[in-house]
Amino acid sequence: EAGVAQSPRYKIIEKRQSVAFWCNPISGHATLYWYQQILGQGPKLLIQFQNNGVVDDSQLPKDRFSAERLKGVDSTLKIQPAKLEDSAVYLCASSPGQLYNEQFFGPGTRLTVL
Amino acid sequence: RKEVEQDPGPFNVPEGATVAFNCTYSNSASQSFFWYRQDCRKEPKLLMSVYSSGNEDGRFTAQLNRASQYISLLIRDSKLSDSATYLCVVKNTGFQKLVFGTGTRLLVSP
Repeated sequence: EAGVAQSPRYKIIEKRQSVAFWCNPISGHATLYWYQQILGQGPKLLIQFQNNGVVDDSQLPKDRFSAERLKGVDSTLKIQPAKLEDSAVYLCASSPGQLYNEQFFGPGTRLTVL
Repeated sequence: RKEVEQDPGPFNVPEGATVAFNCTYSNSASQSFFWYRQDCRKEPKLLMSVYSSGNEDGRFTAQLNRASQYISLLIRDSKLSDSATYLCVVKNTGFQKLVFGTGTRLLVSP
């Protein structure tokens, strides 16, 4: 079974530029998560989708971050404009449903903002 | 105060040693508990769930103390391949979201 796919794997941009990340979850997984992991810290949830609806975006900096999952399958996360402190690994995870305990993570996108 | 707190380490141990990691959580409504493992520059993967009765998986033993809001992970007979960061994770009611600790780094040396 294919795992969670993410692209690009690496991205380097200058501050104030825009960037977008893509995630394709495991087939059939209804719940999709985006996490931000800053070096030396654990992953922090940015947004959680159940199918194509947002369940929790309380920690998403909405002035610059946006995410969508229009058809309830793949998802994009956008940052516009980027700041230096956005340098991090952006992890996408999926699970069959909200009540399922295990989340399956993709390899992440490593973003460097110069 | 962080919702999940761990000693970041690193813990440097020789092969064959026994090592224990601890974690505390602040939200008494937390309902499920886990240890995830994250290798360097890789994604986190579920290592094991943690139950009040304690659970064991080979060389790994996890314990939960709800009264003290404390979770532990014991690794016996450490292997070089155990070198990784171990993330303590709690799942809260409501949105059913996972909250990760900062992780404890383990380095096992020959």
